[in-house]
Amino acid sequence: GAGVSQSPRYKVAKRGQDVALRCDPISGHVSLFWYQQALGQGPEFLTYFQNEAQLDKSGLPSDRFFAERPEGSVSTLKIQRTQQEDSAVYLCASSLRQGGRGQFFGPGTRLTVL
Amino acid sequence: SQQGEEDPQALSIQEGENATMNCSYKTSINNLQWYRQNSGRGLVHLILIRSNEREKHSGRLRVTLDTSKKSSSLLITASRAADTASYFCATDAGGSEKLVFGKGTKLTVNP
Repeated sequence: GAGVSQSPRYKVAKRGQDVALRCDPISGHVSLFWYQQALGQGPEFLTYFQNEAQLDKSGLPSDRFFAERPEGSVSTLKIQRTQQEDSAVYLCASSLRQGGRGQFFGPGTRLTVL
Repeated sequence: SQQGEEDPQALSIQEGENATMNCSYKTSINNLQWYRQNSGRGLVHLILIRSNEREKHSGRLRVTLDTSKKSSSLLITASRAADTASYFCATDAGGSEKLVFGKGTKLTVNP
């Protein structure tokens, strides 16, 4: 497809379990972003890549959260030892080049931690 | 923490009426964007207004920006049931790459 895709769309994890969320950006897009959206709230920034370089990870809430983009295309957001407060929709976005404008968002992965 | 707030938090109107949503932000910006989010779906980019612009139009959308008041408004004219969604403003918070979103306005357009 032509848009940003994310998988899985839904994930249920038991507390303490590790999860991995995948993002496939639009082909050729240099910048990739991860956001966390709690129920009834706006998305909040987690981390940003330009190609394979992670240039900003200031939004990651704890060292349990780790993101990578080893070849500058697909990205994975990993959450270790999940906790209930990690329950949220995780959105991935990509943009063609540096500049932040016109970010194209994927449908998100809804994570529920029991 | 989030950059600012939209108001109202929720808005319910009849089809054909106009809908106005407001957004306030806290820090200086280079541009402000509005996004729409339908239930269970990702965000769709609607319009971007630069800090040196005061008003911008796109189809049935009109956006204004007042940098002195750090506020913006989104007007949807002649609303349709399909406009039912949550609307978010987002800023670049002084030129950073990341977007900083408000809490959103949930718009319901009744047929």
